[in-house]
Amino acid sequence: GESVGLHLPTLSVQEGDNSIINCAYSNSASDYFIWYKQESGKGPQFIIDIRSNMDKRQGQRVTVLLNKTVKHLSLQIAATQPGDSAVYFCAESGGSNYKLTFGKGTLLTVNP
Amino acid sequence: DAGITQSPRHKVTETGTPVTLRCHQTENHRYMYWYRQDPGHGLRLIHYSYGVKDTDKGEVSDGYSVSRSKTEDFLLTLESATSSQTSVYFCAISVGDSYEQYFGPGTRLTVT
Repeated sequence: GESVGLHLPTLSVQEGDNSIINCAYSNSASDYFIWYKQESGKGPQFIIDIRSNMDKRQGQRVTVLLNKTVKHLSLQIAATQPGDSAVYFCAESGGSNYKLTFGKGTLLTVNP
Repeated sequence: DAGITQSPRHKVTETGTPVTLRCHQTENHRYMYWYRQDPGHGLRLIHYSYGVKDTDKGEVSDGYSVSRSKTEDFLLTLESATSSQTSVYFCAISVGDSYEQYFGPGTRLTVT
C-alpha cells in the first residue's frame, strides 16, 4: 500500500468508540474547509465540508466543528468501525481558482 | 469518484527520461489539478488548469509541465525525470467551480 501514513500523528481507538481528529489551519481568511479520508492505495475521498459562517455541521456518523477564534477544526466519528481506519486530513480554501491547502493528516487505526 | 481516471496507475522509469501522466474526466469540469503526495509533506499542488489551454503553476512546479487541449484531459509531463520526483501523483477536479475537490485514484511513479 501507500506509505502516506509514515511520519503522521496517529490515533488508535477501539471499535465502537467515538474518534476525534484535530486540525489546526493557518489562514484566518480561509472561508471553506473540507475533511478527506484516504485509505491505503487510494485517492483522498471527500467526507464533509463546512463554511466559515458555521461552527458545526453533521453528516452520517461524522460531525465537523470549526473554531475560528483559535483556527481549529475537528472531525468527530461516532461509533468508529474497522472500515474507518485510514489517514484523515483537513483542507482549507487557499486563494484564487479554488485552490486548497492541505494538512499533513492523522492516521486512524480502529482495533476490533 | 466524479468520473476521474488516471493512467498509468504505476510506472517505473529511469532518471533523465520524459514521463507523461494522464488525467481524464467525463463530467466536463472546468478546473483540474495535479498534486504530488509524499510522506511528511501531504498533498502539494504542482499545476492546475481553469479551462482548455489555461494553466498555471502551483507550489512545486519546477521540473513539471502540463497541457490541456481538451476539457476532459489534463496531462502532466516530467520533462527529465529525477529521483526526487518519485512520488504518488493525484489528479483532482473542482465540482461546479467550487472548493469542493474530488480526486482520482493516483499514479505511483518510481524514478530509478
